[in-house]
Amino acid sequence: GQQLNQSPQSMFIQEGEDVSMNCTSSSIFNTWLWYKQDPGEGPVLLIALYKAGELTSNGRLTAQFGITRKDSFLNISASIPSDVGIYFCAGQLFFNAGGTSYGKLTFGQGTILTVHP
Amino acid sequence: NAGVTQTPKFQVLKTGQSMTLQCAQDMNHNSMYWYRQDPGMGLRLIYYSASEGTTDKGEVPNGYNVSRLNKREFSLRLESAAPSQTSVYFCASSEESPWRAYNEQFFGPGTRLTVL
Repeated sequence: GQQLNQSPQSMFIQEGEDVSMNCTSSSIFNTWLWYKQDPGEGPVLLIALYKAGELTSNGRLTAQFGITRKDSFLNISASIPSDVGIYFCAGQLFFNAGGTSYGKLTFGQGTILTVHP
Repeated sequence: NAGVTQTPKFQVLKTGQSMTLQCAQDMNHNSMYWYRQDPGMGLRLIYYSASEGTTDKGEVPNGYNVSRLNKREFSLRLESAAPSQTSVYFCASSEESPWRAYNEQFFGPGTRLTVL
C-alpha cells in the first residue's frame, strides 16, 4: 500500500520560533491534508490542498502541495504554547462507487511538537 | 451537535476477552471509519463503511469485525483480544460528495485500549 514519510518525528522549539515539517510519498495523491491532534483528543483538520503546486495559508499556517503530487510541507510561524500537539499529513485518493466519490486517507507517522514558553 | 462520540474512553482487557467499541455521529454523514493509532505509525485504517449496509477492509483488519448498525452508528468488535491490539482507536465520519475537491473526516476523541 501507499507509504507516507513524515519528518521530523519530533521538534522542541522556543515560543516565537518558526516550524517546518514535510511529507513525501512514493505515489501520487489527489489531495493532501494536514491534521493536528491535541493531547487526549482526535485529529482536527488544519489545511486541505487539492491543486498541485498550490500554496495555502490559514492564519500562522502555510502549506504547499508539491508539483509532483507526491509531497507537501507545513510551516507554522511565530509558534505559541497552544501549538503543542501531534501534526499529521494525510494523502487522499478518490474512488468512485455508484456515482459518488469516496476519499480514503493515508496518514504520515506524525510530528510531535513541543513549544517551550 | 456532539459530532463523533466514542465509548468507552478507556478499557483494559485480558488476552482472549472480547469487547465492542461503540461510535456514533450526528452529522448525517454517509461514510464512517475505524483507525488505530500506535506510536510512530500514524493512524492506520482498520475498516470503513462507505454507506449504511456496506463495510470494507482497510489496511489492518485482522482480528477485528465491524457492524454498521444504521447511518449513525458504526461499531468495532475484538472477538479475542491480543496484546498487539493495545492501541488508541479512533472513529471518524465524512460526507462524500462528487462536488468537493476533498472529503474532510471528523474524528471522535478516541478509546484507549490496553490488552494484558
